Amino acid sequence: KQEVTQIPAALSVPEGENLVLNCSFTDSAIYNLQWFRQDPGKGLTSLLLIQSSQREQTSGRLNASLDKSSGRSTLYIAASQPGDSATYLCAVKGNYGQNFVFGPGTRLSVLP
Amino acid sequence: SAVISQKPSRDICQRGTSLTIQCQVDSQVTMMFWYRQQPGQSLTLIATANQGSEATYESGFVIDKFPISRPNLTFSTLTVSNMSPEDSSIYLCSVADVDRGTEAFFGQGTRLTVV
Repeated sequence: KQEVTQIPAALSVPEGENLVLNCSFTDSAIYNLQWFRQDPGKGLTSLLLIQSSQREQTSGRLNASLDKSSGRSTLYIAASQPGDSATYLCAVKGNYGQNFVFGPGTRLSVLP
Repeated sequence: SAVISQKPSRDICQRGTSLTIQCQVDSQVTMMFWYRQQPGQSLTLIATANQGSEATYESGFVIDKFPISRPNLTFSTLTVSNMSPEDSSIYLCSVADVDRGTEAFFGQGTRLTVV
């Protein structure tokens, strides 16, 4: 059974810092991995999708990498802003079955 | 990306009653899912909504408590039946499509409070 963990659980940084969020998964037989952000009481917004054949994806100040063999993904946020404050979730989709398995999330606070 | 409209956005319900949540997508999608997010927790999959047939439920979730309909490729409903305060959660509809690399998209969620 796939299990997804995220480190750290919470992170507080001053504005302008670069930061890295970590996601680990136990079963490397994944179809893809996706990063989301969730604002309090809201739904999830897709940030980046990495297919299993890819090593990384970039969107603006965000860069996500994938090392399938070691069961790890990182989300790099450059020049953080207060508007980046949210909970960041990673989810993996296995090669078998249709559903996604979510990590517990990292709660990020960027202080002005 | 897919645009998902989920209704209602929030509700406060009396215990013992039922609430039906609607999920409408702006295009046909192959996969639709319903998740629950309890306070301070991550997402837990309730079931996969199958078009024209019974939903596929995850361990710990049953059809009598969470009946699901999916009459076509753009619409689904989740009913939370005979509610108790433990059902207070955010319920989220999600879709994915093989033609879009199975990228998952989410509605804005329904915040349910049972009193």
